Amino acid sequence: AQTVTQSQPEMSVQEAETVTLSCTYDTSENNYYLFWYKQPPSRQMILVIRQEAYKQQNATENRFSVNFQKAAKSFSLKISDSQLGDTAMYFCAFMKHGAGYALNFGKGTSLLVTP
Amino acid sequence: GAVVSQHPSWVICKSGTSVKIECRSLDFQATTMFWYRQFPKQSLMLMATSNEGSKATYEQGVEKDKFLINHASLTLSTLTVTSAHPEDSSFYICSAPPLPGLELSEQFFGPGTRLTVL
Repeated sequence: AQTVTQSQPEMSVQEAETVTLSCTYDTSENNYYLFWYKQPPSRQMILVIRQEAYKQQNATENRFSVNFQKAAKSFSLKISDSQLGDTAMYFCAFMKHGAGYALNFGKGTSLLVTP
Repeated sequence: GAVVSQHPSWVICKSGTSVKIECRSLDFQATTMFWYRQFPKQSLMLMATSNEGSKATYEQGVEKDKFLINHASLTLSTLTVTSAHPEDSSFYICSAPPLPGLELSEQFFGPGTRLTVL
């Protein structure tokens, strides 16, 4: 079974600053996908960024980027120019290739962006 | 984009009663739906996978007789919490997987249902 670990239960960052959320995972699979999801107070899950394991290039989506280290099984999320609307729970998630698309989530990091 | 709805969004029931939660794909067909449970300030835990026209697949430790899942059509999956108890109080979220071959595309999450058992 795959395990996803987020070691930072809570983090805080000032508006316009940069923050990095950590995520490590454990798997024996070679082909898989990694995701960061955001869950604001509304509880609606929102996809932030995604990464294919076989791609070495780190994914980037506007202010969000990842540092994917496959050998170290690490998948951190960097949020640049933090905005108040980034305040939310952030979940790292693992999906095994060809196994039905169910997501295995980490415990989450609660991010607070302060003015 | 594709939309998944859940009904009700919030339900309060008495201990011992049963509660049905509906998950609908509004503008697409979903042969599979995932049901997750999220306790306060905790992560989403996969409970089961519902499959249209066949039995649901339950994760280890999830009581299939307590959490009845029915995938009656290509647009509707239901979760019935039978003989609910206070410890079943949680946030239940359904999601439809991405289209085959598009593993990296977005999964379609419902807005969730908050269940409170008194």
